[in-house]
Amino acid sequence: DAGVTQSPTHLIKTRGQQVTLRCSPKSGHDTVSWYQQALGQGPQFIFQYYEEEERQRGNFPDRFSGHQFPNYSSELNVNALLLGDSALYLCASSLLTGGAGEKLFFGSGTQLSVL
Amino acid sequence: DQQVKQNSPSLSVQEGRISILNCDYTNSMFDYFLWYKKYPAEGPTFLISISSIKDKNEDGRFTVFLNKSAKHLSLHIVPSQPGDSAVYFCAASEGFRGGSQGNLIFGKGTKLSVKP
Repeated sequence: DAGVTQSPTHLIKTRGQQVTLRCSPKSGHDTVSWYQQALGQGPQFIFQYYEEEERQRGNFPDRFSGHQFPNYSSELNVNALLLGDSALYLCASSLLTGGAGEKLFFGSGTQLSVL
Repeated sequence: DQQVKQNSPSLSVQEGRISILNCDYTNSMFDYFLWYKKYPAEGPTFLISISSIKDKNEDGRFTVFLNKSAKHLSLHIVPSQPGDSAVYFCAASEGFRGGSQGNLIFGKGTKLSVKP
């Protein structure tokens, strides 16, 4: 049973560029959440997708956008990259109908460096 | 404004002894709390959770205590093992009431080192 998989594992971009990160949820899960973890910080919620729609959003600018596909996989897009976007981006999946206490399963993340 | 605070960046404990990791929160609407463990180059892994209707939850060597009046929770690991060495994150949500499942607020983490 594959867990949450993310690609790529590492990525280097320059300021102003655009980036797309990908996530496949754990088998049987229908909800994908994205988190940003800056160095020395805890993960910070970006947004969550369910039924191909953004269900919740954290305090991130519109440069951060996402998509969920019919097979539940998801993409995170960041436009006009800033140096401060350098971070580990984590994808987490869950089953929405599992209840409010349903725990999240995290992928290993994509390490994004913006130069 | 940090809503979830882990004030100890690191903790070192001898193998076999108890590890106590602490977490404070400020938002009284939080009603579900979780601990995640993270090894280098891996994503966080769920460890244990507690809802606000309880004050203790136990799972093997791991016990989480919740003190709602003090807005404080702690994770106890007994006995500590070298394999427990990792970064531990405390997280909270308004999951049960606010329907915010998936929107977890994390602390900055505490790096636990268990020495043989």
